[in-house]
Amino acid sequence: DAKTTQPNSMESNEEEPVHLPCNHSTISGTDYIHWYRQLPSQGPEYVIHGLTSNVNNRMASLAIAEDRKSSTLILHRATLRDAAVYYCILRDISNNDMRFGAGTRLTVKP
Amino acid sequence: NAGVMQNPRHLVRRRGQEARLRCSPMKGHSHVYWYRQLPEEGLKFMVYLQKENIIDESGMPKERFSAEFPKEGPSILRIQQVVRGDSAAYFCASSPTYTSYEQYFGPGTRLTVT
Repeated sequence: DAKTTQPNSMESNEEEPVHLPCNHSTISGTDYIHWYRQLPSQGPEYVIHGLTSNVNNRMASLAIAEDRKSSTLILHRATLRDAAVYYCILRDISNNDMRFGAGTRLTVKP
Repeated sequence: NAGVMQNPRHLVRRRGQEARLRCSPMKGHSHVYWYRQLPEEGLKFMVYLQKENIIDESGMPKERFSAEFPKEGPSILRIQQVVRGDSAAYFCASSPTYTSYEQYFGPGTRLTVT
C-alpha cells in the first residue's frame, strides 16, 4: 500500500486558515486521496477526497500537487471544534479498506 | 437516518473471557468494515464484510478473532480468550456500495481487558 507522511502535530489560531500537508510520493494512478478527521473520543469523520483536481466542499478544500506526490487540506477558518487528528489516506478504488497512518493532531488556540 | 450504531460503548472483560462487539450499519448500507485503534495510534483495518460474506480479512489476527455479518441483524466482531493487548477502541464503518467514496463510522466500542 502506498504510504502517506504527515507532521505529528500542528497549531493554529482560531479563525485563521490552516494548511495541513501530506506527502505521498509513491502514489499510484488509481489512488484517491482521502482525508478523515477524528475528534476526541469519537469515530473518524469523512472530510474530503480527490483524485487529480483541487476539490472544495462545505468543510474544507483539498489542493493536490500537479505530480500528485503531495496534497494539502485547507481549513479556511479554524474553529475550536476543528481540533482533531486529521488523517490523509490513499485508497485504491479497487480496495474498500482504508489504511490510516498516525495523522496530524491539530490544536486550535482561542 | 440513524448513523452507524455500535454497542456496547464500553466493555470490560477479564483475561480469558470472550468479547462480542456489535455494529449496526446505516440503513441501506450492506458493506461493513472493522478497525482497531490502540491508545495513541491510528486506526488499523481488520476486516471488510458484506452481508453473509467476508470479503477481506487481511488485517485480522489469525487466532481468537472472528467477524460475521449475517443476513439479519448486526455485524459481530468476536474476540475469544481476550488478553490485555486486546484493550483498544474498535470502530465499525459502513458504506452503501463497493465503490462508495465515503465510509461512515460509528462511535466505537472501548474494550478494556483486566
